[in-house]
Amino acid sequence: KAGVTQTPRYLIKTRGQQVTLSCSPISGHRSVSWYQQTPGQGLQFLFEYFSETQRNKGNFPGRFSGRQFSNSRSEMNVSTLELGDSALYLCASSFRGRRDTEAFFGQGTRLTVV
Amino acid sequence: GENVGLHLPTLSVQEGDNSIINCAYSNSASDYFIWYKQESGKGPQFIIDIRSNMDKRQGQRVTVLLNKTVKHLSLQIAATQPGDSAVYFCAENGSSNTGKLIFGQGTTLQVKP
Repeated sequence: KAGVTQTPRYLIKTRGQQVTLSCSPISGHRSVSWYQQTPGQGLQFLFEYFSETQRNKGNFPGRFSGRQFSNSRSEMNVSTLELGDSALYLCASSFRGRRDTEAFFGQGTRLTVV
Repeated sequence: GENVGLHLPTLSVQEGDNSIINCAYSNSASDYFIWYKQESGKGPQFIIDIRSNMDKRQGQRVTVLLNKTVKHLSLQIAATQPGDSAVYFCAENGSSNTGKLIFGQGTTLQVKP
């Protein structure tokens, strides 16, 4: 069974631009969560979508947004990019996204802002 | 508050020895914990989980211990192999019943041949 797929794997953007990242969850999984990973802050929760609704949100500015489609695929968008947005962005999918269900991660998208 | 932390940023062990990676959490309402392994260039990979109604759970070469009294969990890896070299994260699912995970800072396990 296919795992979580994130595209693109690598991205280089300029300050001020915007970027859209994509995540295809494991078939049948309805919950998709996004995380930002940096050497200094570790893995930080961005937001979670379940059945096309944002169910939980982390402490990130409004420049970070996301959505989920009816097929459970999810996208996250970062507008007005800053140098500090350079990070590995990870998405995780789980069947029902409850506190006691296993979450599977994709390989991540490495975003570099120059 | 919610905080999951690991005691040591780096752990170096000899191949064949047992490894123990520790994690402390502060949210007494946490009742589900997960250990992940992350190799260079890859996303976190699920290793083992444990619910708060248990204090020990075993997998293949791995054991997770949970001590709710002192809010501590550990990951034990038996007969550590070079392929175990990675960063290990503990995570908790917090007090909300959603898919949100709260991660510790990670411990880098280095296996010496």
